[in-house]
Amino acid sequence: EPEVTQTPSHQVTQMGQEVILRCVPISNHLYFYWYRQILGQKVEFLVSFYNNEISEKSEIFDDQFSVERPDGSNFTLKIRSTKLEDSAMYFCASSDMILAGASTNTGELFFGEGSRLTVL
Amino acid sequence: AQKITQTQPGMFVQEKEAVTLDCTYDTSDQSYGLFWYKQPSSGEMIFLIYQGSYDEQNATEGRYSLNFQKARKSANLVISASQLGDSAMYFCAMRIYTGANSKLTFGKGITLSVRP
Repeated sequence: EPEVTQTPSHQVTQMGQEVILRCVPISNHLYFYWYRQILGQKVEFLVSFYNNEISEKSEIFDDQFSVERPDGSNFTLKIRSTKLEDSAMYFCASSDMILAGASTNTGELFFGEGSRLTVL
Repeated sequence: AQKITQTQPGMFVQEKEAVTLDCTYDTSDQSYGLFWYKQPSSGEMIFLIYQGSYDEQNATEGRYSLNFQKARKSANLVISASQLGDSAMYFCAMRIYTGANSKLTFGKGITLSVRP
């Protein structure tokens, strides 16, 4: 079964350093997302991406964050200058086209296993 | 804007019994989907079940069923015959189908512990 893969699984970094989290979405999916989950808390939307541009972003996704799809397979999240409060699990997700009302296509988001970021 | 509410504190259930995890939602849109995800201690997000707003029948997937009450805007997850491996965090989520790229909005989650 196709799956979303994320690397690294865990990264420890010093405050102020740049971090790049990588994701390989499911190959025929067109819509990509990053979510964040601070330990034990809710899963928060960061950004969605389609057709090589950001479709929507949350208030969390400030100028320190950027996303890129540098080639046909990877989808990356960059944090330019990490802060302590950026410590969290970061999930990448992808989905294919939604056909509203179609019983066979739920528009389910497929999630990767997450990248745990620890900022010291 | 859409909103998902999960207010139950940590839930406990005896192995082999059924348990209901509550979820209410709020949206003014007519076309939407409701999802439940399971997050075990290992951290991954596992899709469990989906209910479309136009679906007249409650969704079922093995031991999981979704008690969908549209007028009340509730989408409770029922797990039958609980197993020890069901111990996890459970998230209710909603996706509005106003555009093909709409995000999934999560509730804050419920912790379920299954007792042997």
